[in-house]
Amino acid sequence: DTGVSQDPRHKITKRGQNVTFRCDPISEHNRLYWYRQTLGQGPEFLTYFQNEAQLEKSRLLSDRFSAERPKGSFSTLEIQRTEQGDSAMYLCASSPTSGRLYEQYFGPGTRLTVT
Amino acid sequence: GNSVTQMEGPVTLSEEAFLTINCTYTATGYPSLFWYVQYPGEGLQLLLKATKADDKGSNKGFEATYRKETTSFHLEKGSVQVSDSAVYFCALYSGGGADGLTFGKGTHLIIQP
Repeated sequence: DTGVSQDPRHKITKRGQNVTFRCDPISEHNRLYWYRQTLGQGPEFLTYFQNEAQLEKSRLLSDRFSAERPKGSFSTLEIQRTEQGDSAMYLCASSPTSGRLYEQYFGPGTRLTVT
Repeated sequence: GNSVTQMEGPVTLSEEAFLTINCTYTATGYPSLFWYVQYPGEGLQLLLKATKADDKGSNKGFEATYRKETTSFHLEKGSVQVSDSAVYFCALYSGGGADGLTFGKGTHLIIQP
């Protein structure tokens, strides 16, 4: 069990640029989640996948946000035309679909700074 | 909708003191409840969980009991250590609709030697 990994750990971008973050879940986990965490707040759920199917995306913050998990393994979160309000920590988590499916394991996060 | 309310921080205690961090929730259905901990510079770690009423989750000396009648899941530890200094998040999972965890705002715990 190597844990959930995220890349990059830090990203600084200029307003208006597009950014993409990657998440690699725990290998045997079928569910993958994305969250956003702003300073002083708890994580806020954005979207989730079961295998390659995106089963919930209504919580994505705007149509500038999109996520993919094309082969049911790693996932990417893209933010187009970034705004300063997008500055936050973006967290990925994974969980199994049976047994302890309620237990989500989080990666270290990608900290985005939009200048 | 679902929501979690936990006590505001920071909470500052001396080493070996008794700890309580309050957490109450509002949820549709019958949620599972969790405490996550975030140590400085690290990611969120699952600390303990409870999936039904009167269950007690425990780990590393921390405990929390799922109280359906008071919709609460307070975190307790009998004797805190400096190494317990971290931010603690209460969370719930109701399994319907969005299917993500709903978190409280977090409580920053500072333990002084």
